[in-house]
Amino acid sequence: AQKITQTQPGMFVQEKEAVTLDCTYDTSDQSYGLFWYKQPSSGEMIFLIYQGSYDEQNATEGRYSLNFQKARKSANLVISASQLGDSAMYFCAMREGTPYNNNDMRFGAGTRLTVKP
Amino acid sequence: EAQVTQNPRYLITVTGKKLTVTCSQNMNHEYMSWYRQDPGLGLRQIYYSMNVEVTDKGDVPEGYKVSRKEKRNFPLILESPSPNQTSLYFCASSVTGGGTEAFFGQGTRLTVV
Repeated sequence: AQKITQTQPGMFVQEKEAVTLDCTYDTSDQSYGLFWYKQPSSGEMIFLIYQGSYDEQNATEGRYSLNFQKARKSANLVISASQLGDSAMYFCAMREGTPYNNNDMRFGAGTRLTVKP
Repeated sequence: EAQVTQNPRYLITVTGKKLTVTCSQNMNHEYMSWYRQDPGLGLRQIYYSMNVEVTDKGDVPEGYKVSRKEKRNFPLILESPSPNQTSLYFCASSVTGGGTEAFFGQGTRLTVV
């Protein structure tokens, strides 16, 4: 069974510094996708970044990068140069399989990030 | 604009009064699903649909129904809501069911008293 673990219920970071949010996953599939979503206080779920299990390079999207360590089954999110607007809940998620498998997106419990001025 | 639209955004209702939360996507996605979000538990899947007329249970389906008569719509029905269904609900859609990004609706905050 899939399982996503986010061990940091809450994190604080100083504005303009970098922060790493941890995520480990458990799967026996060879093909899967890893995702990070941001949920601000307004409640919507905002897609941030995606990493495929066969991607050799770590994914990057602007200030977001995903530190993918396949052997350790970890997919940590790194936010560089934190901004006050980065304060939010962050969810790691995984989806197994090829495009035509019927596989649910499983989520971790989330990490609440607070950026301090 | 590509989007998933849920309505209503907020709803307060009483125990036992049937309600429907609508979800519509304009991206021609085959896969749609409903999640509920509760503190400390992340998002848990309620029901999903691989395509029109194909629906199946997720992790927490008790007390919920869905239908998928058209590709774009995937309503969530609570026949007899109870207080333990007070939660934040999300509808999501994606191109297919595996390895692809899910697009989320804005969320529906439901309170059952």
